[in-house]
Amino acid sequence: DGGITQSPKYLFRKEGQNVTLSCEQNLNHDAMYWYRQDPGQGLRLIYYSQIVNDFQKGDIAEGYSVSREKKESFPLTVTSAQKNPTAFYLCASSIGAGTVTQYFGPGTRLTVL
Amino acid sequence: AQKVTQAQTEISVVEKEDVTLDCVYETRDTTYYLFWYKQPPSGELVFLIRRNSFDEQNEISGRYSWNFQKSTSSFNFTITASQVVDSAVYFCALSENGGETSGSRLTFGEGTQLTVNP
Repeated sequence: DGGITQSPKYLFRKEGQNVTLSCEQNLNHDAMYWYRQDPGQGLRLIYYSQIVNDFQKGDIAEGYSVSREKKESFPLTVTSAQKNPTAFYLCASSIGAGTVTQYFGPGTRLTVL
Repeated sequence: AQKVTQAQTEISVVEKEDVTLDCVYETRDTTYYLFWYKQPPSGELVFLIRRNSFDEQNEISGRYSWNFQKSTSSFNFTITASQVVDSAVYFCALSENGGETSGSRLTFGEGTQLTVNP
């Protein structure tokens, strides 16, 4: 089945450790996105990528890094520089940068202990 | 700057009641898109509808209907004869028209938690 997968669903890490969240899509979409959701709040854009080997910062990129080496994969690394990393992280994709409807994965809930 | 306001933080209704979720937006763009997404307890956002700024026709899909009024910058969502399975957080979102060479950035409202009680 076509879709977006994120793994793992739940992730626990100790403070000060970097952690990488996986996002894979088999929809042949060009554009991919990472959002952060905090309890009772909307989604905020971390990074997005319109095409392989290219990405741009979103509204809250500090403390995060991404790569886009393959069209189907857009991993997000939460670094130790991110002051409050505990949150729900959602990955999304869209057919192309000019095609605006984004489709979301199931999310990863990160808890930093 | 773009902004989306969902003033209703939580709504609770009894099954079979009709319920309207409000969404008000701000943008300087003349071309833009509006969305509604549903987030059930599992967490995944489910796309419901997309509307562009030039199409003010209301839309109905089963028990769901959407009222887009450019004059009041509102894009409200009505569920008719609500069911327990409609319980979820609903997000309204706004996208600028980035064209072919820029990302389609979505600005989300804070969401409305809808609880439908049996």
